[in-house]
Amino acid sequence: AQKVTQAQTEISVVEKEDVTLDCVYETRDTTYYLFWYKQPPSGELVFLIRRNSFDEQNEISGRYSWNFQKSTSSFNFTITASQVVDSAVYFCALSEGGDKIIFGKGTRLHILP
Amino acid sequence: EAQVTQNPRYLITVTGKKLTVTCSQNMNHEYMSWYRQDPGLGLRQIYYSMNVEVTDKGDVPEGYKVSRKEKRNFPLILESPSPNQTSLYFCASSLSVPSGGNNEQFFGPGTRLTVL
Repeated sequence: AQKVTQAQTEISVVEKEDVTLDCVYETRDTTYYLFWYKQPPSGELVFLIRRNSFDEQNEISGRYSWNFQKSTSSFNFTITASQVVDSAVYFCALSEGGDKIIFGKGTRLHILP
Repeated sequence: EAQVTQNPRYLITVTGKKLTVTCSQNMNHEYMSWYRQDPGLGLRQIYYSMNVEVTDKGDVPEGYKVSRKEKRNFPLILESPSPNQTSLYFCASSLSVPSGGNNEQFFGPGTRLTVL
Protein backbone atom coordinates (compact mmCIF):
# COMPACT_ATOMS: atom_id res chain seq x y z
CA ALA A 1 0.00 0.00 0.00
CA GLN A 2 1.17 3.49 -0.70
CA LYS A 3 1.99 5.88 2.10
CA VAL A 4 3.48 9.34 2.45
CA THR A 5 5.04 10.55 5.67
CA GLN A 6 5.85 14.15 6.42
CA ALA A 7 7.28 13.82 9.89
CA GLN A 8 7.70 17.56 10.44
CA THR A 9 4.33 18.88 11.49
CA GLU A 10 5.47 22.46 11.91
CA ILE A 11 8.73 24.30 11.31
CA SER A 12 9.73 27.87 12.14
CA VAL A 13 12.81 29.54 10.74
CA VAL A 14 14.03 33.10 10.55
CA GLU A 15 13.91 34.79 7.19
CA LYS A 16 16.91 34.13 4.94
CA GLU A 17 17.64 30.79 6.55
CA ASP A 18 17.56 27.66 4.46
CA VAL A 19 14.96 25.05 5.35
CA THR A 20 14.36 21.49 4.22
CA LEU A 21 10.99 19.78 4.32
CA ASP A 22 11.14 16.02 4.48
CA CYS A 23 8.97 13.56 2.59
CA VAL A 24 9.31 9.80 2.88
CA TYR A 25 7.13 7.50 0.82
CA GLU A 26 6.26 3.83 0.61
CA THR A 27 5.26 2.04 -2.54
CA ARG A 28 5.60 -1.39 -4.08
CA ASP A 29 5.43 -0.09 -7.63
CA THR A 30 8.47 0.64 -9.74
CA THR A 31 6.59 3.33 -11.64
CA TYR A 32 5.20 6.16 -9.57
CA TYR A 33 5.01 9.92 -9.37
CA LEU A 34 5.82 12.26 -6.52
CA PHE A 35 4.47 15.77 -6.11
CA TRP A 36 4.81 18.81 -3.91
CA TYR A 37 2.00 21.29 -3.42
CA LYS A 38 1.94 24.57 -1.53
CA GLN A 39 -1.03 25.91 0.41
CA PRO A 40 -0.47 29.55 1.41
CA PRO A 41 -2.56 31.21 4.12
CA SER A 42 -5.12 32.21 1.49
CA GLY A 43 -6.02 28.51 1.23
CA GLU A 44 -5.57 27.58 -2.40
CA LEU A 45 -3.43 24.62 -3.38
CA VAL A 46 -0.64 25.30 -5.82
CA PHE A 47 1.29 22.67 -7.75
CA LEU A 48 5.07 23.01 -7.35
CA ILE A 49 6.71 19.97 -8.90
CA ARG A 50 6.19 16.47 -10.24
CA ARG A 51 8.87 13.82 -10.41
CA ASN A 52 8.54 10.33 -11.90
CA SER A 53 10.30 7.35 -10.44
CA PHE A 54 12.69 7.00 -13.37
CA ASP A 55 14.09 10.48 -13.04
CA GLU A 56 16.33 10.86 -10.02
CA GLN A 57 17.85 14.12 -11.12
CA ASN A 58 17.59 16.81 -8.55
CA GLU A 59 15.75 19.89 -9.65
CA ILE A 60 16.28 23.53 -8.88
CA SER A 61 13.81 26.30 -9.55
CA GLY A 62 14.99 29.61 -8.21
CA ARG A 63 15.21 29.32 -4.44
CA TYR A 64 13.46 25.93 -4.47
CA SER A 65 15.20 22.63 -4.93
CA TRP A 66 14.14 19.02 -4.66
CA ASN A 67 16.24 16.00 -3.76
CA PHE A 68 14.81 12.67 -4.92
CA GLN A 69 16.55 9.60 -3.51
CA LYS A 70 15.04 6.21 -4.33
CA SER A 71 17.53 4.47 -2.04
CA THR A 72 15.95 6.15 0.97
CA SER A 73 12.46 6.59 -0.53
CA SER A 74 12.65 10.31 0.04
CA PHE A 75 11.70 13.38 -1.92
CA ASN A 76 12.84 16.33 0.15
CA PHE A 77 12.19 19.97 -0.61
CA THR A 78 14.62 22.75 0.26
CA ILE A 79 13.96 26.47 0.27
CA THR A 80 17.12 28.53 0.14
CA ALA A 81 17.21 32.02 1.64
CA SER A 82 13.63 31.72 2.85
CA GLN A 83 11.24 34.64 2.65
CA VAL A 84 8.10 35.48 4.57
CA VAL A 85 6.05 34.71 1.45
CA ASP A 86 7.20 31.10 1.72
CA SER A 87 5.08 30.69 4.83
CA ALA A 88 2.55 28.02 3.95
CA VAL A 89 1.57 24.42 4.42
CA TYR A 90 3.47 22.14 2.07
CA PHE A 91 2.13 18.77 0.98
CA CYS A 92 4.00 15.88 -0.54
CA ALA A 93 1.94 13.40 -2.58
CA LEU A 94 2.38 10.06 -4.30
CA SER A 95 0.57 8.30 -7.12
CA GLU A 96 1.37 4.79 -8.21
CA GLY A 97 0.27 2.93 -11.32
CA GLY A 98 -3.35 3.05 -10.20
CA ASP A 99 -5.82 5.85 -9.99
CA LYS A 100 -5.40 7.18 -6.50
CA ILE A 101 -3.26 9.93 -5.11
CA ILE A 102 -2.11 9.89 -1.51
CA PHE A 103 -1.12 13.08 0.25
CA GLY A 104 1.03 13.44 3.33
CA LYS A 105 -0.37 15.30 6.31
CA GLY A 106 1.56 18.40 5.43
CA THR A 107 4.24 20.54 7.02
CA ARG A 108 3.32 24.01 8.21
CA LEU A 109 6.23 26.36 7.57
CA HIS A 110 6.54 29.68 9.39
CA ILE A 111 9.10 32.14 8.11
CA LEU A 112 9.72 34.72 10.81
CA PRO A 113 10.76 38.24 9.77
CA GLU B 1 -8.90 31.53 -17.88
CA ALA B 2 -8.16 27.88 -17.12
CA GLN B 3 -9.65 27.06 -13.76
CA VAL B 4 -11.53 24.76 -11.46
CA THR B 5 -14.56 26.33 -9.86
CA GLN B 6 -16.49 25.17 -6.82
CA ASN B 7 -19.79 26.34 -5.43
CA PRO B 8 -20.66 27.27 -2.83
CA ARG B 9 -17.49 28.49 -1.19
CA TYR B 10 -19.03 28.44 2.24
CA LEU B 11 -22.00 26.48 3.50
CA ILE B 12 -23.56 26.01 6.90
CA THR B 13 -26.25 23.37 7.06
CA VAL B 14 -27.97 21.06 9.49
CA THR B 15 -27.71 17.33 9.99
CA GLY B 16 -29.64 15.32 7.43
CA LYS B 17 -30.32 18.05 4.90
CA LYS B 18 -29.13 16.88 1.50
CA LEU B 19 -26.62 19.12 -0.22
CA THR B 20 -24.55 19.25 -3.38
CA VAL B 21 -21.23 20.95 -3.91
CA THR B 22 -20.60 21.62 -7.56
CA CYS B 23 -17.25 21.40 -9.31
CA SER B 24 -16.52 22.43 -12.85
CA GLN B 25 -13.33 22.63 -14.91
CA ASN B 26 -12.81 24.26 -18.30
CA MET B 27 -9.56 22.52 -19.27
CA ASN B 28 -11.01 19.36 -20.83
CA HIS B 29 -9.37 17.31 -18.12
CA GLU B 30 -9.96 13.57 -17.94
CA TYR B 31 -9.37 13.06 -14.25
CA MET B 32 -11.31 14.75 -11.46
CA SER B 33 -11.19 14.18 -7.76
CA TRP B 34 -12.64 15.31 -4.45
CA TYR B 35 -10.64 15.73 -1.26
CA ARG B 36 -11.39 16.76 2.25
CA GLN B 37 -8.87 18.57 4.39
CA ASP B 38 -8.98 18.29 8.15
CA PRO B 39 -6.50 19.59 10.74
CA GLY B 40 -3.73 17.10 11.36
CA LEU B 41 -4.98 14.74 8.66
CA GLY B 42 -3.89 16.49 5.51
CA LEU B 43 -5.81 15.89 2.28
CA ARG B 44 -7.76 12.69 1.93
CA GLN B 45 -9.28 11.55 -1.32
CA ILE B 46 -13.03 10.97 -1.24
CA TYR B 47 -13.89 9.97 -4.80
CA TYR B 48 -12.28 10.27 -8.17
CA SER B 49 -13.29 9.93 -11.78
CA MET B 50 -11.19 8.77 -14.68
CA ASN B 51 -13.68 9.96 -17.29
CA VAL B 52 -17.36 10.42 -17.99
CA GLU B 53 -19.46 7.80 -16.20
CA VAL B 54 -16.35 6.33 -14.55
CA THR B 55 -16.07 6.99 -10.84
CA ASP B 56 -14.43 5.17 -7.96
CA LYS B 57 -13.94 5.41 -4.24
CA GLY B 58 -10.98 7.07 -2.65
CA ASP B 59 -9.89 6.55 0.92
CA VAL B 60 -12.85 8.16 2.71
CA PRO B 61 -15.98 7.68 0.56
CA GLU B 62 -18.50 6.93 3.32
CA GLY B 63 -21.37 9.39 3.35
CA TYR B 64 -20.62 10.85 -0.07
CA LYS B 65 -21.78 10.29 -3.62
CA VAL B 66 -20.52 11.65 -6.91
CA SER B 67 -21.50 11.60 -10.54
CA ARG B 68 -19.72 12.40 -13.79
CA LYS B 69 -22.33 12.85 -16.48
CA GLU B 70 -20.31 15.44 -18.35
CA LYS B 71 -16.57 15.76 -18.63
CA ARG B 72 -16.42 19.21 -17.10
CA ASN B 73 -18.60 18.64 -14.02
CA PHE B 74 -18.06 16.48 -10.97
CA PRO B 75 -20.55 17.26 -8.19
CA LEU B 76 -20.15 15.98 -4.65
CA ILE B 77 -23.38 14.93 -2.99
CA LEU B 78 -24.00 14.52 0.71
CA GLU B 79 -27.34 12.74 0.99
CA SER B 80 -27.58 13.03 4.78
CA PRO B 81 -24.79 15.20 6.13
CA SER B 82 -23.51 14.65 9.63
CA PRO B 83 -21.31 16.83 11.85
CA ASN B 84 -18.25 14.66 11.15
CA GLN B 85 -18.45 15.83 7.56
CA THR B 86 -17.65 19.36 8.64
CA SER B 87 -14.50 20.02 6.67
CA LEU B 88 -12.78 21.95 3.91
CA TYR B 89 -13.44 20.32 0.55
CA PHE B 90 -11.35 20.62 -2.57
CA CYS B 91 -12.12 19.56 -6.08
CA ALA B 92 -9.21 18.93 -8.42
CA SER B 93 -8.65 17.96 -12.02
CA SER B 94 -5.75 16.85 -14.18
CA LEU B 95 -5.30 16.26 -17.86
CA SER B 96 -4.42 12.64 -17.43
CA VAL B 97 -4.95 9.97 -14.83
CA PRO B 98 -2.44 9.79 -11.95
CA SER B 99 -0.32 7.20 -13.73
CA GLY B 100 -0.09 9.35 -16.84
CA GLY B 101 2.38 12.03 -17.76
CA ASN B 102 0.24 15.14 -17.39
CA ASN B 103 -1.01 14.32 -13.95
CA GLU B 104 -0.37 17.44 -11.93
CA GLN B 105 -3.64 18.45 -10.36
CA PHE B 106 -5.29 21.83 -10.50
CA PHE B 107 -7.37 22.60 -7.46
CA GLY B 108 -10.52 24.57 -6.95
CA PRO B 109 -10.65 27.29 -4.29
CA GLY B 110 -12.22 25.03 -1.67
CA THR B 111 -15.62 24.80 -0.01
CA ARG B 112 -15.84 25.18 3.73
CA LEU B 113 -18.74 23.10 4.97
CA THR B 114 -20.15 23.20 8.48
CA VAL B 115 -22.78 20.66 9.49
CA LEU B 116 -24.59 21.51 12.72
